[in-house]
Amino acid sequence: NAGVTQTPKFRILKIGQSMTLQCTQDMNHNYMYWYRQDPGMGLKLIYYSVGAGITDKGEVPNGYNVSRSTTEDFPLRLELAAPSQTSVYFCASSYSKGRDTQYFGPGTRLTVL
Amino acid sequence: GQQVMQIPQYQHVQEGEDFTTYCNSSTTLSNIQWYKQRPGGHPVFLIQLVKSGEVKKQKRLTFQFGEAKKNSSLHITATQTTDVGTYFCAGLETSYDKVIFGPGTSLSVIP
Repeated sequence: NAGVTQTPKFRILKIGQSMTLQCTQDMNHNYMYWYRQDPGMGLKLIYYSVGAGITDKGEVPNGYNVSRSTTEDFPLRLELAAPSQTSVYFCASSYSKGRDTQYFGPGTRLTVL
Repeated sequence: GQQVMQIPQYQHVQEGEDFTTYCNSSTTLSNIQWYKQRPGGHPVFLIQLVKSGEVKKQKRLTFQFGEAKKNSSLHITATQTTDVGTYFCAGLETSYDKVIFGPGTSLSVIP
């Protein structure tokens, strides 16, 4: 099992550009999450999904969009990138919400200049 | 709103000293999880506590869940350089059915 994989590992964007961060899990988990982690800070939930076709906003959803067309994939879309979106982005998955281990991907380090 | 706080924010210890981090919630939690993130790495699950007053041990790590299910602690005995990292607690809030991560405690161990 690869667990949770994320691509790319690093990316530099110019202000106003768009990009999609990819996340795939092979554990057949229903729940998937996107977090951002600013330098020296904790994790803030951007969006989460409870299954294919169902997504919901987290704590900091503005400037992002998600979709969940399959159980395995949960891409995060950044539209009109801004310097405030410079962060490390982690995707995670779990079997249930809050009662099982969240497995995290290795992260995508994004810089917006 | 619901909050999960952790203290201290940073801790520097000499190798061999003990270390404790505390996690406090403004609301009652159904459970609490602890994660460790090594520098440059991603959070990795350590343990989950569910019962009021529960205590669990993993080698030199001792985890406690408070009687009121609003606080928790992680204690490391005789720290080693391999313990370096940030320790996060994550609570499942009973009322709101939401998982809230604390801001983390960053541990540095001086050899």
